[in-house]
Amino acid sequence: SQKIEQNSEALNIQEGKTATLTCNYTNYSPAYLQWYRQDPGRGPVFLLLIRENEKEKRKERLKVTFDTTLKQSLFHITASQPADSATYLCARVDSSYKLIFGSGTRLLVRP
Amino acid sequence: EAGVAQSPRYKIIEKRQSVAFWCNPISGHATLYWYQQILGQGPKLLIQFQNNGVVDDSQLPKDRFSAERLKGVDSTLKIQPAKLEDSAVYLCASSLNRQGGSPLHFGNGTRLTVT
Repeated sequence: SQKIEQNSEALNIQEGKTATLTCNYTNYSPAYLQWYRQDPGRGPVFLLLIRENEKEKRKERLKVTFDTTLKQSLFHITASQPADSATYLCARVDSSYKLIFGSGTRLLVRP
Repeated sequence: EAGVAQSPRYKIIEKRQSVAFWCNPISGHATLYWYQQILGQGPKLLIQFQNNGVVDDSQLPKDRFSAERLKGVDSTLKIQPAKLEDSAVYLCASSLNRQGGSPLHFGNGTRLTVT
């Protein structure tokens, strides 16, 4: 089956450090990967999209990479702040343009 | 621009009762989605509309769930009868189109508790 997997363990880091979250996929090559942020009690909010022919995408303190050889996308938050604490979801677009989400990774940034 | 509006925000019902959720997408967005998010999991797509037509409902439990998008704008999702396992947050989202690069805009969801 075509899976998209994220680390279910929470990531706990110190303020100012770089947070790195992982999204792995198996048995297919998605044309796009999207990353979302979700706060408790709120809907997901779109952050970044990366296409399969792009190696890296940046937006302010955020960076996403896409490695089609490793079948992996990494999501980085540099100079992390307590306000970055949230659950981060990656999602792939399938052949019928459905957006399929991973289970999310919770990030906690300690002051 | 106004975001995706959903109501109610919370709903508590007993099993075997019925419930309906309402969604108003961002103006001009052709594609509308209903997702179910169980605690600790990622959102799971239930149904996708393009304008007022269903594009995908392969994950919708059609024996109890139904959805419609009249006039290609607002949408309602109904559950009848509800089961305990339907307890979840129901998220509505919209996007400009179905292209893979088109980001989804989500509402804040309806939290359903079935007792």
